[in-house]
Order: sequence, then C-alpha cells, then structure tokens
Amino acid sequence: DAGVIQSPRHEVTEMGQEVTLRCKPISGHNSLFWYRQTMMRGLELLIYFNNNVPIDDSGMPEDRFSAKMPNASFSTLKIQPSEPRDSAVYFCASSSTSGYNEQFFGPGTRLTVL
Amino acid sequence: AQSVSQHNHHVILSEAASLELGCNYSYGGTVNLFWYVQYPGQHLQLLLKYFSGDPLVKGIKGFEAEFIKSKFSFNLRKPSVQWSDTAEYFCAAPNSGYALNFGKGTSLLVTP
Repeated sequence: DAGVIQSPRHEVTEMGQEVTLRCKPISGHNSLFWYRQTMMRGLELLIYFNNNVPIDDSGMPEDRFSAKMPNASFSTLKIQPSEPRDSAVYFCASSSTSGYNEQFFGPGTRLTVL
Repeated sequence: AQSVSQHNHHVILSEAASLELGCNYSYGGTVNLFWYVQYPGQHLQLLLKYFSGDPLVKGIKGFEAEFIKSKFSFNLRKPSVQWSDTAEYFCAAPNSGYALNFGKGTSLLVTP
C-alpha cells in the first residue's frame, strides 16, 4: 500500500494567489482529515470527511479555506486568496471506521506564502 | 469523547537516559489511546495504541506505554533513549466522532 499521498510536497506562492492541496487516502479508508501544523499553534484539525461527506469543518479558519471530497479516493483543500499567515505544513490523514480511529498521515505539503 | 493533556512540553535527555512522557485522558466511555511520533521534518507516525486487554502496550523502536485506569494516564516510556529518538511526541484519543483529539505535543531532544 502506498499510504496517504499528498501533492505537492512543497508550494511557494505569492499573497493573493489561489492554492490547491491534494490528497489521496489509503484505499478502503472512509474517513479523511485535513490538519495544519505551525510552530505557534501546533497541530490543528481543519476539517474531516466521512464517506465523502464533511462532518466537522469548525476548524476551517475562514471563508478563504474550502475543502472537497468528490470521491472516496481524492480530496482537495483550497485557499483563495492566500495570505502569508497561511504558511504552514498541511497534513492529510485517513482512517477506517473499523480501525478504532487510528489515523495514517501523509507526508504533508509545506506551504509558503510570500 | 475523550480529551488528552500532555504535561511536558519540552524534555531534554542524554543518550541512555530513561524516558517517561505523561499523558492524561478524560473519561469518556470506551478507551482508545494512541501515541504518535513526528521526527524532524516528517509526518506523524503511529508509535503504539491501546484498545483493550493488557494495559502494558509495546510499540515500535522499544517504546511502551501503560494504561492506568485509576490515574487516567497513558504514559509513554523507553528505558534507554537514543539520539535518533529526538522528535515530537503526541498523545491522542478519539473525539465523539471519527476524529482524534491530539495533545499539544512534547518535544524531546536527546543529546549525545
């Protein structure tokens, strides 16, 4: 199994640009999670999906952030417009509801907004 | 739902020293507990997990944790740390849904 796949691994963009982060969960997993990690705030849960449906998006910082999961094997996290304070590492994780909530993390996308 | 709290935010040890990182959880029915590790520049990886049964759980790389119900604790231990154990360690427990509540993390630095 390839594990959780994220792309790109690194993204450098300018303030105001649209950024799209992508995630492919582990095949067979039906829950998908987006996290943001910074030195100041640590690891934050942004949103999670179960069976492609958003369950809890209370962690999404503001309307500039949106996430979709059009099918069981793909999710996107979009920031439009991006701001320097969005610079962080964004992790995607997936789990199976039969797996007692054990989550498997992707390698992350390091986003830098100039 | 369970919340978790980690007592130590930064720990510095010399190689070969023993390690114990604290984690307390709030009561919330069925207890499922996890320890994750994040090596510098990498993603979170599962160290060990407890669902039921033997309260002493053994994980990868010589780590273990003991579930003590009376103390609401799930402390992580290793008898002798190595420089390669330098990392951030997170305790986690399920929330009311499918997600995990992570502790704030403990940063461990092992010096040669």
